[in-house]
Amino acid sequence: AQKITQTQPGMFVQEKEAVTLDCTYDTSDPSYGLFWYKQPSSGEMIFLIYQGSYDQQNATEGRYSLNFQKARKSANLVISASQLGDSAMYFCAMRLNNFNKFYFGSGTKLNVKP
Amino acid sequence: GAGVSQSPSNKVTEKGKDVELRCDPISGHTALYWYRQSLGQGLEFLIYFQGNSAPDKSGLPSDRFSAERTGGSVSTLTIQRTQQEDSAVYLCASSLAHGGGVYNEQFFGPGTRLTVL
Repeated sequence: AQKITQTQPGMFVQEKEAVTLDCTYDTSDPSYGLFWYKQPSSGEMIFLIYQGSYDQQNATEGRYSLNFQKARKSANLVISASQLGDSAMYFCAMRLNNFNKFYFGSGTKLNVKP
Repeated sequence: GAGVSQSPSNKVTEKGKDVELRCDPISGHTALYWYRQSLGQGLEFLIYFQGNSAPDKSGLPSDRFSAERTGGSVSTLTIQRTQQEDSAVYLCASSLAHGGGVYNEQFFGPGTRLTVL
């Protein structure tokens, strides 16, 4: 069975500092993709970053980077230079490439302090 | 182009009534997903449609829940005999079919907030 685990229900970070949001996953399928989404208080889900299981390099998108450690089955999101607008819920998700079904973690609520 | 749209944005109903929630996916997206999100919680998978294949209904919580997708486009999620525990935000998402090494993110609609009194 596939499972996504986010162990940090809430996190605080000082503005302009970096923060790491943890995500571990469990699958026996070798072909999968990992996604991070942001959900502000407005409720919309915003795609942030993607990492494929066969990608050799960690994904980066602006201030977002994904620390992919395949052997440990972890896909942590790193946000550099935090901004007040980064305060939101963050969800990690996994999709098996053969099935196109997504599995979501329970989320981490990030609060950026001024 | 237009994103995923959902209607209504808010629905208040009385316990025991039936409700229908609608999702219009992005044109050309063959995959469509329904999720439920209770207040402050994560996303609970409900059902997944992929093209003309039989839907994956493994997430539907009870037989009061059903969904259909007509013509491979618009989808309707129906909840019969609503209960107070059905109160949540119902999110719809769509994506392209996977393949060719291209990742296909989900694009989410704004959700329907259902309140059962």
